[in-house]
Amino acid sequence: DADVTQTPRNRITKTGKRIMLECSQTKGHDRMYWYRQDPGLGLRLIYYSFDVKDINKGEISDGYSVSRQAQAKFSLSLESAIPNQTALYFCATSDQPGQGLHYNEQFFGPGTRLTVL
Amino acid sequence: AQTVTQSQPEMSVQEAETVTLSCTYDTSESDYYLFWYKQPPSRQMILVIRQEAYKQQNATENRFSVNFQKAAKSFSLKISDSQLGDAAMYFCAFQTGTYKYIFGTGTRLKVLA
Repeated sequence: DADVTQTPRNRITKTGKRIMLECSQTKGHDRMYWYRQDPGLGLRLIYYSFDVKDINKGEISDGYSVSRQAQAKFSLSLESAIPNQTALYFCATSDQPGQGLHYNEQFFGPGTRLTVL
Repeated sequence: AQTVTQSQPEMSVQEAETVTLSCTYDTSESDYYLFWYKQPPSRQMILVIRQEAYKQQNATENRFSVNFQKAAKSFSLKISDSQLGDAAMYFCAFQTGTYKYIFGTGTRLKVLA
């Protein structure tokens, strides 16, 4: 089974709709991240969470919100979707510093392709 | 501001040949990490190789190696004996003590049979 899962894998929605993307992990990591990928722009950080009570904005948080329901779950919401939020969304996790040799490696989910019409 | 630049949007290589993907970065930090990630058509982000800035020796992983030039802030990826399965988007990424990643814009690699 995959260590980091995302649901749904693909979603088409309409402008103005509320949508939630979910991420779950079985790696036991405290740190979780949400990125969006756009052609020619690479991956950009939307929000990140270093533990359940520590949530921080990334470089492009406007129009998004998150919820860290548990160590293993981190959800991204678009309160009122707009077409320029059409993108590929990735969830990622990483371990705490000092927890093993590769604590700084990020492990990615399979991505969610979101289309806003 | 910390930035990562991949100046080659697309590269092509003949199967079994060698190709080098370039990456430059800008930072005032002295301690950081650099990564190359591969994204095949499946969309999955796969770590290819990592380099710790404090290590002078270039990292290698089988057919993948890096040329890390700290003074020049350059971190290129060399793929030897290219295979069809190497065709993918490749992202260079940079990380400092905040443990947030900064990604480049990617290089699409095509492998020609």
